[in-house]
Amino acid sequence: EAQVTQNPRYLITVTGKKLTVTCSQNMNHEYMSWYRQDPGLGLRQIYYSMNVEVTDKGDVPEGYKVSRKEKRNFPLILESPSPNQTSLYFCASSLRQGRMGDTGELFFGEGSRLTVL
Amino acid sequence: DQQVKQNSPSLSVQEGRISILNCDYTNSMFDYFLWYKKYPAEGPTFLISISSIKDKNEDGRFTVFLNKSAKHLSLHIVPSQPGDSAVYFCAAKEYGNKLVFGAGTILRVKS
Repeated sequence: EAQVTQNPRYLITVTGKKLTVTCSQNMNHEYMSWYRQDPGLGLRQIYYSMNVEVTDKGDVPEGYKVSRKEKRNFPLILESPSPNQTSLYFCASSLRQGRMGDTGELFFGEGSRLTVL
Repeated sequence: DQQVKQNSPSLSVQEGRISILNCDYTNSMFDYFLWYKKYPAEGPTFLISISSIKDKNEDGRFTVFLNKSAKHLSLHIVPSQPGDSAVYFCAAKEYGNKLVFGAGTILRVKS
């Protein structure tokens, strides 16, 4: 089954304790991205990757890091989480984002709800 | 500066009636517009899209209308069903660029 898998789905942590949210896709997609969803703000892009070893900042990258060492994986790293990073996080992937024929369709994971105390 | 705006946070509709969700945008360079649907505890899923060169696209009960002169698009659901109750996100993209999402509209279909 084609899917984007995120872990953990739920996490409560404390300020300053490093954490990683993993994301894996099995569709051989080149493009992967992380979003956060906050009430009244919709989905805002954190980081994205056009291919292996190619990553770039989205709209709200502060406090986050990413890496793309393999095509299927795109982990989101919070080196020193703060309460304002409490949010619902989504990983997404696409075959063609930014390329010819791109219709904008993204495939999303089920989300990771993070609470930072 | 929000390029894609959904001004109605929520909408309540009776089962069997039409649901109309609205979206406004500011960037005239957008080439595709999409609607995503999100249920609680799930990720958004693609629903329907429309190219900027068209003014209507239909898929079963779902129709998206694009009015470029007004920079406005709408999603019509006819007839509405209780299973349509979800958050609907409007999104738009410029060629070679990322998707920009609206804030979402919560649709409740009452039986």
